[in-house]
Amino acid sequence: GAGVSQSPSNKVTEKGKDVELRCDPISGHTALYWYRQRLGQGLEFLIYFQGNSAPDKSGLPSDRFSAERTGESVSTLTIQRTQQEDSAVYLCASSRAPGTGVGNEQFFGPGTRLTVL
Amino acid sequence: AQTVTQSQPEMSVQEAETVTLSCTYDTSESDYYLFWYKQPPSRQMILVIRQEAYKQQNATENRFSVNFQKAAKSFSLKISDSQLGDAAMYFCAYRKARGDYKLSFGAGTTVTVRA
Repeated sequence: GAGVSQSPSNKVTEKGKDVELRCDPISGHTALYWYRQRLGQGLEFLIYFQGNSAPDKSGLPSDRFSAERTGESVSTLTIQRTQQEDSAVYLCASSRAPGTGVGNEQFFGPGTRLTVL
Repeated sequence: AQTVTQSQPEMSVQEAETVTLSCTYDTSESDYYLFWYKQPPSRQMILVIRQEAYKQQNATENRFSVNFQKAAKSFSLKISDSQLGDAAMYFCAYRKARGDYKLSFGAGTTVTVRA
């Protein structure tokens, strides 16, 4: 596709359930990032992929959060045993490469709004 | 760790007027990038303008320009001739030039444009 896509657009779940959020990066983009945006706040970094490896997982808030990526394609963010504090918009971004060039702009998807009841 | 501070939660501007959004940041790096992103209600983050720290010249993109003061660690965004479509949340973001590719964001400023 032309841009980064994410699914679902919205997800409502009950506390304690597991959820999977999907990100399809721009074709050819080797780098992929997940961010979390709580209501009225800025984005917090969660994890970064280069290809299918994750050299930086420093932003994952707990071991309930995990992510994987298939090759240089789709990524899935999984949240186990969801808590109300997990309610947020989860945004995915991709870039051509993680290099230092300013041209490696991160292009964002529209996000998934997760609501945990 | 890098921190980005946006001290103005909300700003209002009359259509066709100018508004300036403030951003300060903290870093020990000498080389880095700064960005302003726009987030309309659709949630889509759109890059408005970027600045390389090694460049003294302030970046400009049409009606958007920045005032980059490296010594003061300040990076403000000026929106000239404001249009109704400029209404959105604006985020200031920082990224190291090497070794760390994640963006660090401020809390955002909501811009309202009055017709």
